[in-house]
Amino acid sequence: GQNIDQPTEMTATEGAIVQINCTYQTSGFNGLFWYQQHAGEAPTFLSYNVLDGLEEKGRFSSFLSRSKGYSYLLLKELQMKDSASYLCAVADSNYQLIWGAGTKLIIKP
Amino acid sequence: GAVVSQHPSWVICKSGTSVKIECRSLDFQATTMFWYRQFPKQSLMLMATSNEGSKATYEQGVEKDKFLINHASLTLSTLTVTSAHPEDSSFYICSAREPAREYEQYFGPGTRLTVT
Repeated sequence: GQNIDQPTEMTATEGAIVQINCTYQTSGFNGLFWYQQHAGEAPTFLSYNVLDGLEEKGRFSSFLSRSKGYSYLLLKELQMKDSASYLCAVADSNYQLIWGAGTKLIIKP
Repeated sequence: GAVVSQHPSWVICKSGTSVKIECRSLDFQATTMFWYRQFPKQSLMLMATSNEGSKATYEQGVEKDKFLINHASLTLSTLTVTSAHPEDSSFYICSAREPAREYEQYFGPGTRLTVT
Protein backbone atom coordinates (compact mmCIF):
# COMPACT_ATOMS: atom_id res chain seq x y z
CA GLY A 1 0.00 0.00 0.00
CA GLN A 2 0.89 3.64 -0.08
CA ASN A 3 1.96 5.33 3.09
CA ILE A 4 3.38 8.65 4.18
CA ASP A 5 4.48 9.21 7.75
CA GLN A 6 5.27 12.45 9.51
CA PRO A 7 5.12 13.48 13.16
CA THR A 8 1.75 14.68 14.37
CA GLU A 9 3.01 17.69 16.27
CA MET A 10 6.22 19.52 17.03
CA THR A 11 7.07 22.47 19.23
CA ALA A 12 9.93 24.90 18.72
CA THR A 13 11.09 28.28 19.96
CA GLU A 14 11.01 31.53 18.03
CA GLY A 15 14.36 32.14 16.36
CA ALA A 16 15.39 28.49 16.49
CA ILE A 17 15.64 25.80 13.81
CA VAL A 18 13.25 22.87 13.37
CA GLN A 19 13.37 19.83 11.10
CA ILE A 20 10.18 18.05 10.09
CA ASN A 21 10.73 14.54 8.76
CA CYS A 22 8.67 12.61 6.25
CA THR A 23 9.04 8.98 5.17
CA TYR A 24 7.12 7.48 2.32
CA GLN A 25 6.26 4.27 0.51
CA THR A 26 4.39 4.82 -2.73
CA SER A 27 3.72 3.13 -6.04
CA GLY A 28 5.94 5.20 -8.27
CA PHE A 29 7.59 8.49 -7.49
CA ASN A 30 7.35 11.74 -9.39
CA GLY A 31 8.48 14.10 -6.71
CA LEU A 32 7.83 15.13 -3.14
CA PHE A 33 6.11 18.30 -2.07
CA TRP A 34 5.95 20.28 1.12
CA TYR A 35 2.98 22.51 1.75
CA GLN A 36 2.18 24.91 4.57
CA GLN A 37 -1.38 25.15 5.79
CA HIS A 38 -2.66 27.68 8.31
CA ALA A 39 -5.83 26.80 10.16
CA GLY A 40 -8.92 27.37 8.02
CA GLU A 41 -6.92 28.04 4.88
CA ALA A 42 -5.89 26.02 1.84
CA PRO A 43 -2.35 24.65 1.54
CA THR A 44 0.33 26.84 0.04
CA PHE A 45 3.26 25.43 -1.89
CA LEU A 46 6.66 25.47 -0.19
CA SER A 47 8.94 23.14 -2.10
CA TYR A 48 9.27 20.37 -4.65
CA ASN A 49 12.08 17.78 -4.73
CA VAL A 50 12.44 15.17 -7.43
CA LEU A 51 16.20 14.59 -7.26
CA ASP A 52 18.26 13.67 -4.22
CA GLY A 53 19.75 16.49 -2.26
CA LEU A 54 18.97 19.74 -0.56
CA GLU A 55 16.93 22.57 -2.03
CA GLU A 56 17.26 25.88 -0.23
CA LYS A 57 14.74 28.67 -0.49
CA GLY A 58 15.24 31.46 1.99
CA ARG A 59 14.55 30.31 5.54
CA PHE A 60 13.12 27.01 4.30
CA SER A 61 15.09 24.06 2.92
CA SER A 62 13.92 20.66 1.79
CA PHE A 63 15.95 17.49 1.49
CA LEU A 64 15.23 14.27 -0.36
CA SER A 65 16.74 10.79 -0.35
CA ARG A 66 14.87 8.58 -2.81
CA SER A 67 16.79 5.45 -1.85
CA LYS A 68 15.69 5.87 1.76
CA GLY A 69 12.18 7.11 0.99
CA TYR A 70 12.90 10.08 3.21
CA SER A 71 12.57 13.82 3.17
CA TYR A 72 12.79 16.64 5.65
CA LEU A 73 11.75 20.26 5.75
CA LEU A 74 14.11 22.54 7.62
CA LEU A 75 12.86 25.85 8.92
CA LYS A 76 15.41 28.37 10.17
CA GLU A 77 15.04 31.57 12.19
CA LEU A 78 11.56 30.56 13.21
CA GLN A 79 8.92 33.25 13.39
CA MET A 80 5.57 33.15 15.13
CA LYS A 81 3.84 33.22 11.73
CA ASP A 82 5.46 29.85 10.95
CA SER A 83 2.99 28.22 13.34
CA ALA A 84 0.99 26.06 10.95
CA SER A 85 0.58 22.52 9.73
CA TYR A 86 3.18 21.25 7.29
CA LEU A 87 2.02 18.66 4.80
CA CYS A 88 4.27 16.22 3.00
CA ALA A 89 2.89 14.84 -0.28
CA VAL A 90 4.31 12.48 -2.88
CA ALA A 91 3.31 12.43 -6.54
CA ASP A 92 2.84 8.82 -7.57
CA SER A 93 3.29 7.27 -11.02
CA ASN A 94 0.11 9.04 -12.23
CA TYR A 95 1.18 12.37 -10.71
CA GLN A 96 -1.58 11.99 -8.17
CA LEU A 97 -0.65 13.43 -4.78
CA ILE A 98 -0.54 11.08 -1.82
CA TRP A 99 -0.78 13.14 1.36
CA GLY A 100 0.67 12.72 4.78
CA ALA A 101 -1.49 13.60 7.77
CA GLY A 102 0.48 16.78 8.38
CA THR A 103 2.69 18.02 11.20
CA LYS A 104 1.32 20.75 13.40
CA LEU A 105 4.17 23.09 14.30
CA ILE A 106 3.76 25.20 17.42
CA ILE A 107 6.14 28.13 17.84
CA LYS A 108 6.67 29.47 21.34
CA PRO A 109 8.14 32.88 22.12
CA GLY B 1 0.37 33.47 -12.21
CA ALA B 2 -1.33 30.14 -11.54
CA VAL B 3 -4.24 31.44 -9.48
CA VAL B 4 -7.20 29.28 -8.59
CA SER B 5 -10.37 30.72 -7.13
CA GLN B 6 -13.28 29.08 -5.37
CA HIS B 7 -16.76 30.34 -4.80
CA PRO B 8 -18.32 30.60 -2.33
CA SER B 9 -15.67 30.80 0.37
CA TRP B 10 -18.21 29.67 2.94
CA VAL B 11 -21.81 28.50 2.84
CA ILE B 12 -24.42 27.43 5.34
CA CYS B 13 -27.28 25.31 4.10
CA LYS B 14 -30.13 23.28 5.52
CA SER B 15 -30.10 19.52 5.59
CA GLY B 16 -31.57 18.05 2.42
CA THR B 17 -30.66 20.92 0.13
CA SER B 18 -27.96 20.96 -2.54
CA VAL B 19 -24.93 23.20 -2.70
CA LYS B 20 -22.74 24.00 -5.70
CA ILE B 21 -19.10 25.00 -5.32
CA GLU B 22 -17.18 26.49 -8.23
CA CYS B 23 -13.48 26.19 -8.90
CA ARG B 24 -11.86 28.38 -11.52
CA SER B 25 -8.35 28.63 -12.88
CA LEU B 26 -7.93 32.34 -13.54
CA ASP B 27 -4.81 32.62 -15.66
CA PHE B 28 -4.20 29.17 -17.08
CA GLN B 29 -6.07 26.31 -18.65
CA ALA B 30 -6.53 23.41 -16.29
CA THR B 31 -6.97 20.10 -18.02
CA THR B 32 -7.18 18.37 -14.67
CA MET B 33 -8.80 19.53 -11.46
CA PHE B 34 -8.92 17.80 -8.11
CA TRP B 35 -11.47 18.01 -5.34
CA TYR B 36 -10.42 17.44 -1.75
CA ARG B 37 -12.26 17.34 1.54
CA GLN B 38 -10.65 18.10 4.86
CA PHE B 39 -12.19 17.48 8.25
CA PRO B 40 -10.88 19.37 11.30
CA LYS B 41 -7.37 18.36 12.34
CA GLN B 42 -7.12 15.87 9.50
CA SER B 43 -5.19 15.90 6.27
CA LEU B 44 -6.57 16.42 2.81
CA MET B 45 -8.61 13.58 1.40
CA LEU B 46 -8.86 13.34 -2.36
CA MET B 47 -12.48 12.93 -3.41
CA ALA B 48 -12.20 12.91 -7.18
CA THR B 49 -10.15 13.84 -10.19
CA SER B 50 -11.87 15.58 -13.04
CA ASN B 51 -10.60 15.98 -16.57
CA GLU B 52 -12.12 18.52 -18.92
CA GLY B 53 -14.80 17.01 -21.09
CA SER B 54 -14.90 13.61 -19.41
CA LYS B 55 -16.45 12.00 -16.36
CA ALA B 56 -14.75 12.46 -13.02
CA THR B 57 -12.84 9.62 -11.42
CA TYR B 58 -13.97 9.15 -7.84
CA GLU B 59 -11.90 7.75 -5.02
CA GLN B 60 -13.05 4.67 -3.21
CA GLY B 61 -15.78 5.41 -0.73
CA VAL B 62 -16.88 8.69 -2.33
CA GLU B 63 -20.48 8.56 -3.61
CA LYS B 64 -20.53 9.90 -7.14
CA ASP B 65 -24.30 10.39 -7.06
CA LYS B 66 -23.98 12.55 -3.98
CA PHE B 67 -20.96 14.58 -5.03
CA LEU B 68 -21.58 15.60 -8.61
CA ILE B 69 -18.56 16.94 -10.44
CA ASN B 70 -18.68 18.75 -13.74
CA HIS B 71 -15.61 19.97 -15.62
CA ALA B 72 -17.25 21.61 -18.59
CA SER B 73 -14.45 23.94 -19.59
CA LEU B 74 -10.70 24.28 -19.22
CA THR B 75 -11.12 26.90 -16.52
CA LEU B 76 -14.14 25.74 -14.53
CA SER B 77 -15.05 22.71 -12.46
CA THR B 78 -18.02 22.48 -10.14
CA LEU B 79 -18.78 20.24 -7.19
CA THR B 80 -22.42 19.85 -6.19
CA VAL B 81 -23.19 18.30 -2.84
CA THR B 82 -26.67 16.88 -3.26
CA SER B 83 -29.08 16.33 -0.40
CA ALA B 84 -26.52 17.61 2.06
CA HIS B 85 -26.44 16.27 5.61
CA PRO B 86 -24.63 17.57 8.70
CA GLU B 87 -21.88 14.96 8.24
CA ASP B 88 -21.05 16.60 4.90
CA SER B 89 -19.96 19.71 6.77
CA SER B 90 -16.31 20.10 5.91
CA PHE B 91 -13.69 22.21 4.20
CA TYR B 92 -13.73 21.54 0.45
CA ILE B 93 -10.64 22.47 -1.52
CA CYS B 94 -10.05 22.27 -5.24
CA SER B 95 -6.74 22.27 -7.05
CA ALA B 96 -5.85 22.55 -10.70
CA ARG B 97 -3.05 21.33 -12.88
CA GLU B 98 -1.89 22.76 -16.18
CA PRO B 99 -0.67 20.50 -19.00
CA ALA B 100 2.91 21.75 -19.08
CA ARG B 101 3.48 21.21 -15.35
CA GLU B 102 2.09 17.80 -14.50
CA TYR B 103 3.87 17.67 -11.19
CA GLU B 104 2.36 20.78 -9.64
CA GLN B 105 -1.12 21.48 -8.30
CA TYR B 106 -2.38 24.97 -7.59
CA PHE B 107 -4.88 25.17 -4.76
CA GLY B 108 -7.96 27.26 -4.41
CA PRO B 109 -8.67 29.01 -1.10
CA GLY B 110 -11.24 26.43 -0.04
CA THR B 111 -14.94 26.48 0.75
CA ARG B 112 -16.23 25.95 4.27
CA LEU B 113 -19.58 24.10 4.12
CA THR B 114 -21.80 23.92 7.17
CA VAL B 115 -24.99 21.88 6.96
CA THR B 116 -27.52 22.55 9.71
